[in-house]
Amino acid sequence: GAVVSQHPSWVICKSGTSVKIECRSLDFQATTMFWYRQFPKQSLMLMATSNEGSKATYEQGVEKDKFLINHASLTLSTLTVTSAHPEDSSFYICSARGVLAAAYEQYFGPGTRLTVT
Amino acid sequence: AQTVTQSQPEMSVQEAETVTLSCTYDTSESDYYLFWYKQPPSRQMILVIRQEAYKQQNATENRFSVNFQKAAKSFSLKISDSQLGDAAMYFCAYMEYGNKLVFGAGTILRVKS
Repeated sequence: GAVVSQHPSWVICKSGTSVKIECRSLDFQATTMFWYRQFPKQSLMLMATSNEGSKATYEQGVEKDKFLINHASLTLSTLTVTSAHPEDSSFYICSARGVLAAAYEQYFGPGTRLTVT
Repeated sequence: AQTVTQSQPEMSVQEAETVTLSCTYDTSESDYYLFWYKQPPSRQMILVIRQEAYKQQNATENRFSVNFQKAAKSFSLKISDSQLGDAAMYFCAYMEYGNKLVFGAGTILRVKS
């Protein structure tokens, strides 16, 4: 149980276009989803926290107009990178916490590699 | 803000040997969780072990154990009988109850056969 999927696993887009990444909790309902960014050989940096039906809370320094997060249902959160540029190329990981989960529980998706050309 | 420090960018261990990865953290809270996550080349984050700060007993999961020193704010991971499959990036992480995870910079573990 507690499986989180991401789609796509790898996406290449042209500079200036937008790309959407989906994060789904497959076998549980997730009240909270987290979005992380990871550069090669570096740590995970939290970008934002989203609660179902509410606006996402962004970490300091993250452009909320560039990284649009929607958490419209208890099983789906999306991250849209708008007007992507090469510097947005990175590995994006989501994680989810279930409705009845303990405070420490958080399940990670497999990540999405974004390459902006 | 809470910080997590992993001072070993890379570590190597011989297969079947034991290795210890270090982690220190900074917090003014008394109740929190600490974690070790493994990230293999697939980049899927895998929970290795969890420690609740209120528990004095060190957590153990098979070949993985921690040395939790609350006063020193230290949380090291010991891997016994290292296997080739243990090779990965290991992240130490901190969480206040119901809050976000704060990760350390990570330690690359190489296992030599």
